[in-house]
Amino acid sequence: ETGVTQTPRHLVMGMTNKKSLKCEQHLGHNAMYWYKQSAKKPLELMFVYSLEERVENNSVPSRFSPECPNSSHLFLHLHTLQPEDSALYLCASSSSSLNSPLHFGNGTRLTVT
Amino acid sequence: RKEVEQDPGPFNVPEGATVAFNCTYSNSASQSFFWYRQDCRKEPKLLMSVYSSGNEDGRFTAQLNRASQYISLLIRDSKLSDSATYLCVVTGTHHGSSNTGKLIFGQGTTLQVKP
Repeated sequence: ETGVTQTPRHLVMGMTNKKSLKCEQHLGHNAMYWYKQSAKKPLELMFVYSLEERVENNSVPSRFSPECPNSSHLFLHLHTLQPEDSALYLCASSSSSLNSPLHFGNGTRLTVT
Repeated sequence: RKEVEQDPGPFNVPEGATVAFNCTYSNSASQSFFWYRQDCRKEPKLLMSVYSSGNEDGRFTAQLNRASQYISLLIRDSKLSDSATYLCVVTGTHHGSSNTGKLIFGQGTTLQVKP
């Protein structure tokens, strides 16, 4: 059982498609995150929302567009992606506290063709 | 210099061995430290927090050395199921003006336990 649920688990899309990744957390947290993990590379932070306000945008290209309608849901809207965007996209949540660890969802494995 | 550095390995050890990983961090103001475990093609999962006095959870022992700015993870009596990548995570600043801690991940150390 996971307190952070991501859908879909796998996604294959063409470069002209538009798709969205969804994340939902049931842990009562008020901070949510998007990370990208490419093969053989460390986790790259993309976006952070705290109390539904975006507090971090880590120089991510505009073809990635996050949305946080409430503290339990987070979306990542994708459009005109490139093949190098193929990666594992991980959602995470935490309490809004300096010392809180992250709880990850099981990720969406994205392939851009 | 990377904010959090780990030896990527892989560490290949026989079952029953004791293995230790180190991780160094650059920000002396860092306050919280964690070890995560990530299995192949899966999400990272929190293994344990690291406390100033050191802490133990079964076969796993975590230590913090603030003076030298490193943390360590010791695994005793290695099991085949311990094979995974172990991520060192450090936090000490906030995201913008929020109260949310900024976690910095190391690249991970891969452990392969052989029968």
